Amino acid sequence: GAGVSQSPSNKVTEKGKDVELRCDPISGHTALYWYRQRLGQGLEFLIYFQGNSAPDKSGLPSDRFSAERTGESVSTLTIQRTQQEDSAVYLCASSGQAFSGNTIYFGEGSWLTVV
Amino acid sequence: AQSVTQPDIHITVSEGASLELRCNYSYGATPYLFWYVQSPGQGLQLLLKYFSGDTLVQGIKGFEAEFKRSQSSFNLRKPSVHWSDAAEYFCAVAPGNTGKLIFGQGTTLQVKP
Repeated sequence: GAGVSQSPSNKVTEKGKDVELRCDPISGHTALYWYRQRLGQGLEFLIYFQGNSAPDKSGLPSDRFSAERTGESVSTLTIQRTQQEDSAVYLCASSGQAFSGNTIYFGEGSWLTVV
Repeated sequence: AQSVTQPDIHITVSEGASLELRCNYSYGATPYLFWYVQSPGQGLQLLLKYFSGDTLVQGIKGFEAEFKRSQSSFNLRKPSVHWSDAAEYFCAVAPGNTGKLIFGQGTTLQVKP
């Protein structure tokens, strides 16, 4: 596609429910990143993929968070047993390769509200 | 640990005035440095980046940034601000070479007419 696409754009869920957030990277981009942005704060790195493998998962806040990527394309971020502190915008980004010289392109994010 | 500090949470400038947004980083070696802009309802857009070479980097929309190793700073500047520049600005560092970014807390820019 023309840009990084994320769905849903908005999600309201009840505390304790599981949610899945989807990211479609730019076609041909092998690197994919997930970030979280809480209200009024900067972006926190969660995880990145190079192809289908995740060399760095250091930013995942707890074992309730997981992500996978298949076919070097779509990625899904799953949050189990959601808590109110999980409310945030979840941003996905992609680049040609996981190399700092490559420009990273961000999607518009998935707004998650846990009530 | 690597970190990025943006000391100014909120800045207000008059349209046509000059702008400087501050960014300080903590990293052992020379990092890759970036400035991004986030406008309401839009995704993050890269303004400029520094890897090596000339310490004054030109970006889009008339922005520039200067890397100062001695001060561990990468401040963003614009000579004359336009109302459309009102947005949130993030400085980021990429330690290592994986593309992973560590962001500052952001600076919200308000432009007065």
